[in-house]
Amino acid sequence: SAVISQKPSRDICQRGTSLTIQCQVDSQVTMMFWYRQQPGQSLTLIATANQGSEATYESGFVIDKFPISRPNLTFSTLTVSNMSPEDSSIYLCSVLIPGQGNYGYTFGSGTRLTVV
Amino acid sequence: RKEVEQDPGPFNVPEGATVAFNCTYSNSASQSFFWYRQDCRKEPKLLMSVYSSGNEDGRFTAQLNRASQYISLLIRDSKLSDSATYLCVVNWVDSSYKLIFGSGTRLLVRP
Repeated sequence: SAVISQKPSRDICQRGTSLTIQCQVDSQVTMMFWYRQQPGQSLTLIATANQGSEATYESGFVIDKFPISRPNLTFSTLTVSNMSPEDSSIYLCSVLIPGQGNYGYTFGSGTRLTVV
Repeated sequence: RKEVEQDPGPFNVPEGATVAFNCTYSNSASQSFFWYRQDCRKEPKLLMSVYSSGNEDGRFTAQLNRASQYISLLIRDSKLSDSATYLCVVNWVDSSYKLIFGSGTRLLVRP
């Protein structure tokens, strides 16, 4: 399976600021996903980021709040903009490796964000 | 109704016990089903896929009932290291690659 490096692993940020989370994969992947896991909750998909196209956002998530970049097949960033305490969550990237069927979904180790 | 529903637990069982988790999903056209394991403060990791015929991996057995839209995970001979949250995950029908997560079932295995 792919190896994903996600940075930063954690951060404490002031409200009103922005944080950019990076996800680096050791192989080329077409499909990358960004998830949010709020305290005590399960994972919720924020958006799908495919190289060469605009990210596709899920209901309740908008590009102005969570802009995503996908400059190449091994890298993506998610920015959490104009943060508020409600944005305190774990943010995870995930990739799908083609041809590996059901075993192709791999997750980064997550970014634990606290907004104060 | 939630898209994927699980009993949140916690299930508190002694070592060596057999424990079963259940999960239901709302969309009958869903195509792929998984159990993921998430340890505290860690990312989810795939435990096993779930096939219509049922599948077994060591102490773990997964079953799928498409008619009832029901998925199960059975853990036999529980170990302390099985303590974790088990996430039922479904591949969403309108995108063949998007995963929908249940809220998770927490398992505590005590000595």
